[in-house]
Amino acid sequence: DAKTTQPNSMESNEEEPVHLPCNHSTISGTDYIHWYRQLPSQGPEYVIHGLTSNVNNRMASLAIAEDRKSSTLILHRATLRDAAVYYCILNRDDKIIFGKGTRLHILP
Amino acid sequence: EAQVTQNPRYLITVTGKKLTVTCSQNMNHEYMSWYRQDPGLGLRQIYYSMNVEVTDKGDVPEGYKVSRKEKRNFPLILESPSPNQTSLYFCASSFILRGNTEAFFGQGTRLTVV
Repeated sequence: DAKTTQPNSMESNEEEPVHLPCNHSTISGTDYIHWYRQLPSQGPEYVIHGLTSNVNNRMASLAIAEDRKSSTLILHRATLRDAAVYYCILNRDDKIIFGKGTRLHILP
Repeated sequence: EAQVTQNPRYLITVTGKKLTVTCSQNMNHEYMSWYRQDPGLGLRQIYYSMNVEVTDKGDVPEGYKVSRKEKRNFPLILESPSPNQTSLYFCASSFILRGNTEAFFGQGTRLTVV
C-alpha cells in the first residue's frame, strides 16, 4: 500500500481555517485520496475523498496538487468539535489502511 | 439511518472463554472489515470480507476468526481470548468501488481480557 506522511500534530485557533497537509509521493494513478477523522472515544468518520480534482462537501474541502503527490484538507472554520485525529489514506481497492494521522488541537 | 452497529460496546472476559463481537450494517455494503486500535500502534486491520462467504486476513489476524454468512453481518470470533487481545475494536463497511466510496465505522467495542 502506498504510504502517506502527515505531521504528528497541529494547533489552530477556533473559528479560523485549518490546513492539514499530507504527502503521498508514491501515489499511483488509481489511488483515491481519502480523509477520515476520529473524534475522542468514537469510531473513525469519513470526511472527504478525491482523485484528481479539488472536492468540497459540507464538512471540508480537499485540495489536490496537480502532480497528486500531496494534498491538503481544509476546514474552513474550525470549532472545538473539530479536535480529532485526522487520517490521510490512499485507497485503490476499498481496503483502508490507517497511518498515525495528525492530532489537531483547537484553541478556544 | 445508515449505520454500522457493534455489540457489545464493552466486554470484560477471562482468558480462554470464547466470545463473539457482532457487527451489522444496514446499507447493503459488500465490503466489511474489522480493526483493532491500541495505543502507539494505531488502527490495524484484522480481517476483511468482500462479500458473502469471502473473507481474507488483514495485517493482524492471529487469534481471530470471522464469518460472513449474510451480507449484513460480520461477526468477530475470539475462540480462546488472551490478555494481548485487550483492545478497542471497530467494524467498518463500504461498497466495493475501487476506492471511490466512503467507509462507515461502528462505535467500537472495548474488550478487556483478564
